[in-house]
Amino acid sequence: AQSVTQPDIHITVSEGASLELRCNYSYGATPYLFWYVQSPGQGLQLLLKYFSGDTLVQGIKGFEAEFKRSQSSFNLRKPSVHWSDAAEYFCAVGARGSGTYKYIFGTGTRLKVLA
Amino acid sequence: GAGVSQSPRYKVTKRGQDVTLRCDPISSHATLYWYQQALGQGPEFLTYFNYEAQPDKSGLPSDRFSAERPEGSISTLTIQRTEQRDSAMYRCASSAGTNEKLFFGSGTQLSVL
Repeated sequence: AQSVTQPDIHITVSEGASLELRCNYSYGATPYLFWYVQSPGQGLQLLLKYFSGDTLVQGIKGFEAEFKRSQSSFNLRKPSVHWSDAAEYFCAVGARGSGTYKYIFGTGTRLKVLA
Repeated sequence: GAGVSQSPRYKVTKRGQDVTLRCDPISSHATLYWYQQALGQGPEFLTYFNYEAQPDKSGLPSDRFSAERPEGSISTLTIQRTEQRDSAMYRCASSAGTNEKLFFGSGTQLSVL
């Protein structure tokens, strides 16, 4: 069965430090991969997506993610974190089922940024 | 509309009551998804619409849950005979097509007492 694992429930980094959020997936075919961010009281917002082609994808707000098929991973990175990046981050797989696409989300990683 | 709108923002109900949640998607979007998000968890798929058709409702937890999108735009999610375990954030999302970017609403926080 398809699944998405985000091994880190909470991560704390200092402002200006680099960030990497881990995501591993289990999917039989070529996956469609996404990272969403959820700020308090807000809906989820797409940061970036991978469908095919270049395995390093750039997103909004200075985020990037790299698809590594051999490791079944799609880790999110940012070189220098800003205080406004504090939020919850969800990795998701677009998985076909019953002829339609379902999005399967991980359990999320909550990011705290220290001033 | 400009974004996905959900109402009510909060709903508190007593166990055994029926509730109906509403989602107004982006007007040009064909696809509409309902997700349930328990505290500390990621969103879990409930059901999906392509216009008014509902090809996949495999994520609905029980027959107490139903969803409609009769005219291919606004959708409602109804939970009959609510139970405390139904307490969660219910999120609606729409997209231009399958595996396109999802636009999420702010959700409806349901509390069943």
